[in-house]
Amino acid sequence: EVQLVESGGGLVKPGGSLRLSCAASGFTFSSYTMNWVRQAPGKGLEWVSSISSSSSYIYYADSVKGRFTISRDNAKNALYLQMNSLRAEDTAVYYCTRDQGVYYDSSGYYYFDYWGQGTLVTVSS
Amino acid sequence: DIQMTQSPSTLSTSVGDRVTITCRASQSISSWLAWYQQKPGKAPKLLIYTASSLESGVPSRFSGSGSGTEFTLTISSLQPDDFATYYCQQYKTYSRTFGQGTKLEIK
Repeated sequence: EVQLVESGGGLVKPGGSLRLSCAASGFTFSSYTMNWVRQAPGKGLEWVSSISSSSSYIYYADSVKGRFTISRDNAKNALYLQMNSLRAEDTAVYYCTRDQGVYYDSSGYYYFDYWGQGTLVTVSS
Repeated sequence: DIQMTQSPSTLSTSVGDRVTITCRASQSISSWLAWYQQKPGKAPKLLIYTASSLESGVPSRFSGSGSGTEFTLTISSLQPDDFATYYCQQYKTYSRTFGQGTKLEIK
C-alpha cells in the first residue's frame, strides 16, 4: 500500500524558516517524480514544486521561487521542502504527492495519484 | 499559467440526483485533465484522469468527459458519501493548475 506521511509543520514567524519532510513507503520511491502541493485555509489547491526521480529536474511555482528548495533522498525514501523567508501567505496545509502519467510525443503529462495527509504550516507573528 | 474555472461553486443537491460539474480551461489542454474529491480535513483523492479514465477503485457512478477547453464530471446517482468538494486540474503544462472547487451540499 502506497503511503506518504508528511511532518515538520508548525507555527513560524514571518521571515522564518521551516523544513518539511515526507516519508514514502509501499512503492519504488526512486522511480517517481514527487511534488509538494499546498492549500491555504478554506481555499483551493496550489502546486508548489516538483523534483524528478533522480533530482535532475526541479520546478517551482513563481510564488515560492527563490525562497523554497525541494530535495529528496532516495536511500531514505524521503522528500523534503526547505522553506525560507516565510510570509503570511505561505500559511497552508502542505501535501506531498506522487506523479503519475505518460511521456507522449516528447512531453510529459503527469497528475497526482497519491497524496499524503498533509502538514499545517502557519506563518504568524 | 493555464486558468481553470469550475461551475457552479456550490451545488445543493439530494441523494439519488444526477450531478454535473463543469470545468473550463483558458486554453486547450487536449484531454490532460484530472478530477479530485476532497472531504473536510482530508487530502484530495484522485477520481478521473485523462478526462475520462476512472481511477482504480472509484465507483462507476463517477464519469468524466470533454476535451480541449470544456470538461464535465458527472455523478449518475449521488450517494451520501459523495458530499464533498470536487476539483479539476490541468496537467498539459508542468505548472499544473486547479479549478477553484465545487462544493456539493445537502439540499
